[in-house]
Amino acid sequence: DARVTQTPRHKVTEMGQEVTMRCQPILGHNTVFWYRQTMMQGLELLAYFRNRAPLDDSGMPKDRFSAEMPDATLATLKIQPSEPRDSAVYFCASGFGLSERGDTQYFGPGTRLTVL
Amino acid sequence: GQSLEQPSEVTAVEGAIVQINCTYQTSGFYGLSWYQQHDGGAPTFLSYNALDGLEETGRFSSFLSRSDSYGYLLLQELQMKDSASYFCAVSSSSDSGYALNFGKGTSLLVTP
Repeated sequence: DARVTQTPRHKVTEMGQEVTMRCQPILGHNTVFWYRQTMMQGLELLAYFRNRAPLDDSGMPKDRFSAEMPDATLATLKIQPSEPRDSAVYFCASGFGLSERGDTQYFGPGTRLTVL
Repeated sequence: GQSLEQPSEVTAVEGAIVQINCTYQTSGFYGLSWYQQHDGGAPTFLSYNALDGLEETGRFSSFLSRSDSYGYLLLQELQMKDSASYFCAVSSSSDSGYALNFGKGTSLLVTP
């Protein structure tokens, strides 16, 4: 069955290094979301794309984070330079966007990032 | 601004019924969603309410009152596998056209 995939599943890196996380949304979905989850802050929306165009990245620290969709099958989230406070689980989700049936989002398994 | 409130923890006995409440403050409200997340897993969609009333899907039901800015998730015939975190999420309009904000989550523990 169709699933959102994310790579890597786990990443341990040192402060100052670049981190790139990848997401393959479900084929046919036109919205892609990046979330960060921590115990303290819960699920935070970082960025939102519709039809590959970035619509909202207000939740993302602009100086170090960047999100792109080079094509319909790939979304990337980069952190450069990484900091220990970036340690979290990063989820990608895709969907068809808001409709009368809601805006069901299908989440990937997440990337667990640890910055030492 | 926007805010969502839901209890941080709930404990219930296997076979019982539990209700998880969610209150919200937002402008441009579209609807209220519920997601389930098991430890170490990804959130999975449970339900969505755009109109007032109760939506039933098997053992789970979700309710919305737009006038009260309030909703709840009702879980019946609780099973051990229902132990998980449950998040309410509000869809609303924003400068970008649309926003989805999640509550902090309610950790449900089902005991034998």
